[in-house]
Amino acid sequence: ETGVTQTPRHLVMGMTNKKSLKCEQHLGHNAMYWYKQSAKKPLELMFVYSLEERVENNSVPSRFSPECPNSSHLFLHLHTLQPEDSALYLCASSQGPATSPETQYFGPGTRLLVL
Amino acid sequence: SQQGEEDPQALSIQEGENATMNCSYKTSINNLQWYRQNSGRGLVHLILIRSNEREKHSGRLRVTLDTSKKSSSLLITASRAADTASYFCATRSGGSYIPTFGRGTSLIVHP
Repeated sequence: ETGVTQTPRHLVMGMTNKKSLKCEQHLGHNAMYWYKQSAKKPLELMFVYSLEERVENNSVPSRFSPECPNSSHLFLHLHTLQPEDSALYLCASSQGPATSPETQYFGPGTRLLVL
Repeated sequence: SQQGEEDPQALSIQEGENATMNCSYKTSINNLQWYRQNSGRGLVHLILIRSNEREKHSGRLRVTLDTSKKSSSLLITASRAADTASYFCATRSGGSYIPTFGRGTSLIVHP
């Protein structure tokens, strides 16, 4: 276990549904990340939060909405997704931007299938 | 954008053999990290090598870095079936603390 948990582990949703992915880290880290991993593609960084402020948003469609209520929790709210959004969504945390080197600790991921 | 690219994309070997994976990148880096991912799971950090280092060891893992060629290699010696996974390199450059990952090398070790 890396100290980063994600729920649910698997999610099947229709294109009109609204769902949320949850990530929690127990490592006292200050930075949290959402990644999308699709088959045969590099890991895609979606969002970065540092000290609960969003510092990176890599041109992610608005149907993905992140929320970071505190430094231990990160959510990804999903609505009106498309089938191509089906992927493994990984959450990660690290100590924070003031720390080098930046080793990331990943959760087990949420396998999302959009029908 | 700065991105590590792993080579080969897939590698299949017998238990006991050594496995070598390579990572190439485009611009100067601060450090390079190798991660491992078992099927459908999150990535696990294996080893970090700084730009002023040439080689590091951790158990059966040996990582080299050649900054003149902008490349790194990960060697797994005496491989085991449990080493079957995907291996990714991640690079950091400039003032960014956010690493960039490649597509990974898929390693299969046959028992």
